[in-house]
Amino acid sequence: GAGVSQSPSNKVTEKGKDVELRCDPISGHTALYWYRQSLGQGLEFLIYFQGNSAPDKSGLPSDRFSAERTGGSVSTLTIQRTQQEDSAVYLCASSPTTGTGASYGYTFGSGTRLTVV
Amino acid sequence: RKEVEQDPGPFNVPEGATVAFNCTYSNSASQSFFWYRQDCRKEPKLLMSVYSSGNEDGRFTAQLNRASQYISLLIRDSKLSDSATYLCVVPQAGYSTLTFGKGTMLLVSP
Repeated sequence: GAGVSQSPSNKVTEKGKDVELRCDPISGHTALYWYRQSLGQGLEFLIYFQGNSAPDKSGLPSDRFSAERTGGSVSTLTIQRTQQEDSAVYLCASSPTTGTGASYGYTFGSGTRLTVV
Repeated sequence: RKEVEQDPGPFNVPEGATVAFNCTYSNSASQSFFWYRQDCRKEPKLLMSVYSSGNEDGRFTAQLNRASQYISLLIRDSKLSDSATYLCVVPQAGYSTLTFGKGTMLLVSP
């Protein structure tokens, strides 16, 4: 697609429920990232996918968080047993490459605003 | 030292003013860095890359001082539309991930 697409744009869920957030990166971009941004805070790295390599999960805050990327394209971030502190904007980004010397930066989607009540 | 530090501001300037932001970083051997712009309740968008030789794009100039580990962004002739939060971004090893500063808020008034 023309840009990074995320769905849903807004999600309100009850504490303890599971949620799935979807990201459709720019066609041809091999790298995909999930970040989250809490109110008034900076972007917090969650997980990174590069091609068929094992994902870098070092930023996931707990084992309630998981993500997968099917066919090297669409990614789903799943949060199990949601807690109120999970409330944030979840941002997905993609990049054409992460090779050394690259200066591509990321293109972000418009995010999913998750509210846990 | 935090990985990426920025003065949160806000910087309040009148239209037409020149304003500069600095950002300090640690733990990066990258050759290039980035400035992103984030409007209220919107996603960050790439503003410009920052190279060792500096980078200029219209009214915006970015500089990198590797020895002192800081990056600067200069905005000349500020416009109302420049009001936003400016994020300093530092690649980690191999560009596998980017570390974002918390941003500096700029408010340009008529």
